[in-house]
Amino acid sequence: GQQVMQIPQYQHVQEGEDFTTYCNSSTTLSNIQWYKQRPGGHPVFLIQLVKSGEVKKQKRLTFQFGEAKKNSSLHITATQTTDVGTYFCAGTSGAGSYQLTFGKGTKLSVIP
Amino acid sequence: NAGVTQTPKFQVLKTGQSMTLQCAQDMNHNSMYWYRQDPGMGLRLIYYSASEGTTDKGEVPNGYNVSRLNKREFSLRLESAAPSQTSVYFCASRTPGYTGELFFGEGSRLTVL
Repeated sequence: GQQVMQIPQYQHVQEGEDFTTYCNSSTTLSNIQWYKQRPGGHPVFLIQLVKSGEVKKQKRLTFQFGEAKKNSSLHITATQTTDVGTYFCAGTSGAGSYQLTFGKGTKLSVIP
Repeated sequence: NAGVTQTPKFQVLKTGQSMTLQCAQDMNHNSMYWYRQDPGMGLRLIYYSASEGTTDKGEVPNGYNVSRLNKREFSLRLESAAPSQTSVYFCASRTPGYTGELFFGEGSRLTVL
C-alpha cells in the first residue's frame, strides 16, 4: 500500500533559525496536504499542493511539491515560538481516491 | 458552527468491553474519516466514508467497525477492546472532492486496561 515517509522525526531549533521537514512517498501522488498539530490539539490544515513543481508561500512558510510528485517539503524561515508543534504531510495517490495517508510527522521544538 | 464534534473526549475501558465513538459534523461534507494517533506513529487511517451509504477500510481496520448513520454522523465501534487499541482517535470531515481538506474533531482519548 501507499507509504508516506517524513523526516526528521524531531527537530530542535533556536528561535530565529530555519526549519525544514521532508516528505517522501513510495508512489506518485495526485496531491499533497500539510497539517500542523499544536501540543494537545488536533491537526489543522495548512495548505495543499497539486501541480508538479508547485511552490506556495504562507508568510514565513514555503511549501514545495517535487517534479515527480513523489516528494514535498515545508520550510519555515526564522522560526518563532508560535511555530512549535508537529507538522504532518498527507498524500493521496490515484485519481479519484479518497484515502489520505499521513506521514509520521516532524515534531518541532523552538528554544527561545 | 461547531464543525466536527466527537464524544466522548475521554474513556477508560477494560479488555473485552465494547464502546462506540460518536462523530458528527455540521458542515454538510460528504466524506468523513476515522484516524488513530499513537506516539511516533503519526495518524493512521482506520476507516473512511466517501459519501453517505459507503464505507471503506483504511490502513488499520482490524478490531473496528463503522457506521455512516446519515450525512452528518460517522461512528466508530470497538466490539471487544484490546490494550493495543489504547490511542487518541480523531474523526474528520472533508470539503468536497478527493482533493478537499480535512477538518478534525478535538479527539477522543481511549485507554484500554
